[in-house]
Amino acid sequence: AQTVTQSQPEMSVQEAETVTLSCTYDTSESDYYLFWYKQPPSRQMILVIRQEAYKQQNATENRFSVNFQKAAKSFSLKISDSQLGDAAMYFCAFLTGTASKLTFGTGTRLQVTL
Amino acid sequence: EPEVTQTPSHQVTQMGQEVILRCVPISNHLYFYWYRQILGQKVEFLVSFYNNEISEKSEIFDDQFSVERPDGSNFTLKIRSTKLEDSAMYFCASKQGAYEKLFFGSGTQLSVL
Repeated sequence: AQTVTQSQPEMSVQEAETVTLSCTYDTSESDYYLFWYKQPPSRQMILVIRQEAYKQQNATENRFSVNFQKAAKSFSLKISDSQLGDAAMYFCAFLTGTASKLTFGTGTRLQVTL
Repeated sequence: EPEVTQTPSHQVTQMGQEVILRCVPISNHLYFYWYRQILGQKVEFLVSFYNNEISEKSEIFDDQFSVERPDGSNFTLKIRSTKLEDSAMYFCASKQGAYEKLFFGSGTQLSVL
């Protein structure tokens, strides 16, 4: 079974600064996908970024980038130039080809301060 | 961008009552899902649906739960006899292909009293 671990229940960052959210996972699969989802207070699930395991290059989406370390089974999210609107719960998630469902971590609550 | 639509946004029901949560997935999508999130907890998979049948379900998805795609556009989740512990946000999601982006609806908050 796949597991996803987010060891930081809460993080805080000052506006305009950079923050990194951690995620580790456990799987015996070699082909899989990793995601970061943002959940603001509205509780909508918003896809932030996605990484295919077969790609060595780290995914980037504007101010969001990942540090994907396949051997270490680590998938951290870096948010640069943090904005007040980035405040939310962030969930790391995992998908393999042998299962169609997403497995989510327990989430990290990000606070952005002035 | 296309959206997955869920109705109602909030549902309050008495314990033991039946509820139906409704979802309209994106029109050309082929894979459909229900997830739930108990307040303060992680998002949990309930069921996936493809080619007009359940492809996978979790331990949570017991005999009290069922899904239907009655008319090719709607995708419903029925809970036959609600329990207090069914109180949660229920998310519908859909995607076009197996490895395509998963689109979530805005959720239905179910409160069982």
